[in-house]
Amino acid sequence: AQSVAQPEDQVNVAEGNPLTVKCTYSVSGNPYLFWYVQYPNRGLQFLLKYITGDNLVKGSYGFEAEFNKSQTSFHLKKPSALVSDSALYFCAVRAPTGANNLFFGTGTRLTVIP
Amino acid sequence: EAQVTQNPRYLITVTGKKLTVTCSQNMNHEYMSWYRQDPGLGLRQIYYSMNVEVTDKGDVPEGYKVSRKEKRNFPLILESPSPNQTSLYFCASRSEAGGHNEQFFGPGTRLTVL
Repeated sequence: AQSVAQPEDQVNVAEGNPLTVKCTYSVSGNPYLFWYVQYPNRGLQFLLKYITGDNLVKGSYGFEAEFNKSQTSFHLKKPSALVSDSALYFCAVRAPTGANNLFFGTGTRLTVIP
Repeated sequence: EAQVTQNPRYLITVTGKKLTVTCSQNMNHEYMSWYRQDPGLGLRQIYYSMNVEVTDKGDVPEGYKVSRKEKRNFPLILESPSPNQTSLYFCASRSEAGGHNEQFFGPGTRLTVL
């Protein structure tokens, strides 16, 4: 069975500092990994994905994520946080075979402090 | 504009009164899915559809029904709503062409069952 863990419910970071939102996963085979962001009163928006190839993937709004197979992690990062990055972030995993459904983590609320 | 729309956006109802939440996408996507979002639980999949007339249960299907008579529409039906179905609901769609594609989400429907 596949699962995703986001160990931090809340992450606070000062504006201009680097940010990291953690995600670990469990899935049979090579995973497809995604990050989504949810702003208040909005649906989820796609940020980036890892399918294969380079372990460092770049996405929207200056975000990037590093796939680490040995640690089964896919942490979201940004070199310099903006107040407008404050939102709820979801990591999701999709198995390479089967019904190909996305399985989401419980979400991490990021607050960037001015 | 490519989008997923949901109606209504907000709904307050009473136990046992049948309701339908509509979902429509204009991107000709094959895959559509319904999720519910609850605090501390993230997004959990209710039902999904791989194409017209092809639907299947997700992780939390009890108390819900769906249909996929047309490619663009995927309504969620609550035959006899109960208070434990009070939640934020999201519809999503995805192209299956080429594989590994991200999902597009609707704006959400906040349902309260009294």
